[in-house]
Amino acid sequence: EPEVTQTPSHQVTQMGQEVILRCVPISNHLYFYWYRQILGQKVEFLVSFYNNEISEKSEIFDDQFSVERPDGSNFTLKIRSTKLEDSAMYFCASSSTPDSIKNIQYFGAGTRLSVL
Amino acid sequence: AQTVTQSQPEMSVQEAETVTLSCTYDTSESDYYLFWYKQPPSRQMILVIRQEAYKQQNATENRFSVNFQKAAKSFSLKISDSQLGDAAMYFCAYRSPEYGNKLVFGAGTILRVKS
Repeated sequence: EPEVTQTPSHQVTQMGQEVILRCVPISNHLYFYWYRQILGQKVEFLVSFYNNEISEKSEIFDDQFSVERPDGSNFTLKIRSTKLEDSAMYFCASSSTPDSIKNIQYFGAGTRLSVL
Repeated sequence: AQTVTQSQPEMSVQEAETVTLSCTYDTSESDYYLFWYKQPPSRQMILVIRQEAYKQQNATENRFSVNFQKAAKSFSLKISDSQLGDAAMYFCAYRSPEYGNKLVFGAGTILRVKS
């Protein structure tokens, strides 16, 4: 069964460093998402992406964050200058269509980001 | 703003028994969708079941069923004949086309299955 793949599974970085989290969505999907889950808190929406542009973003997704689909398969989340509070599990998701009940978002296993 | 509340941080069930996980939500929208996702220890969230708000009939997927009470804004998940593989974190989630495609999640309920 097709899966959303995220790498790495765990990323450790120093505060102020840039990190790129990588995702390979399901191959025929066109809509991509990032969510994060700070330890002990709810899963929160960050951003959605379609047709090479951001379609929606939350207040969390500030100028320190960016997303890109650099080729036909990868979808990346970049954090320019990491802060301690960016430590979280980051989930990538993809769906084939945005509308109706058929928009099922399929999630990756997540990347745990630890900012020291 | 839409909110989703799961009031049970943790639940336990004996293998082969039935357990119900609670979820309530708050919205002013009439068109929306509700979901239950399962997150096993491997951390990949898997869709368990979904419900369209305009459908009165409760969704069922094998051993999983929901009790959707629209007026009460309640969406509980019933797991029948619980199995060891059902042990996981369960998230209730909401999505409304009026507010894009983002999922709004509850805090989750850890389900433990005892053999």
